[in-house]
Amino acid sequence: DTGVSQDPRHKITKRGQNVTFRCDPISEHNRLYWYRQTLGQGPEFLTYFQNEAQLEKSRLLSDRFSAERPKGSFSTLEIQRTEQGDSAMYLCASSPTGDGEKLFFGSGTQLSVL
Amino acid sequence: AQSVAQPEDQVNVAEGNPLTVKCTYSVSGNPYLFWYVQYPNRGLQFLLKYITGDNLVKGSYGFEAEFNKSQTSFHLKKPSALVSDSALYFCAVRDIGGKLIFGQGTELSVKP
Repeated sequence: DTGVSQDPRHKITKRGQNVTFRCDPISEHNRLYWYRQTLGQGPEFLTYFQNEAQLEKSRLLSDRFSAERPKGSFSTLEIQRTEQGDSAMYLCASSPTGDGEKLFFGSGTQLSVL
Repeated sequence: AQSVAQPEDQVNVAEGNPLTVKCTYSVSGNPYLFWYVQYPNRGLQFLLKYITGDNLVKGSYGFEAEFNKSQTSFHLKKPSALVSDSALYFCAVRDIGGKLIFGQGTELSVKP
């Protein structure tokens, strides 16, 4: 399978704990995006990378959130001191660089904060 | 800022009937518009996109969309709905850096 993969598929944690998610994009894709989706809503943009450079962060991304893409390949999204409001589906997508390129999405990581 | 709106939370259609899922957009400059579909507990799957050219865009699974500049709309259509088309549909517009800004989604229900 050469699509975007995310790990884990599901994560249950207690409030206050730290969690980390991983995304492996399609190998030749330069751009990598993180989105958050809550039930009944459209995906909300969080941040994106061009190779290893993080070029934009949404205001939704509080100081408790950090994302990295150290070698321009896989990416991690860490949430520190989780809150119940962080419960959501976290989606990763990748695309080639270029105008009008579509995004390829992974299946997401479902986070539940108890 | 770029945005899209999907005015209907839910659309109900009988199998075999035509379906339309509505989307309007607000952009500065030329719009790059997309439709994605999401099945339960899954990521988003690309259906089609409009960049330039013919206003009628054909996509996956028999879907098509009509770009209308005067009405700032990009409605998704299919001539004959299938039960398996039941899913959540998202309209999106391209923003800076290639990221997509999504609408709230429309739940399509196709009954036999």
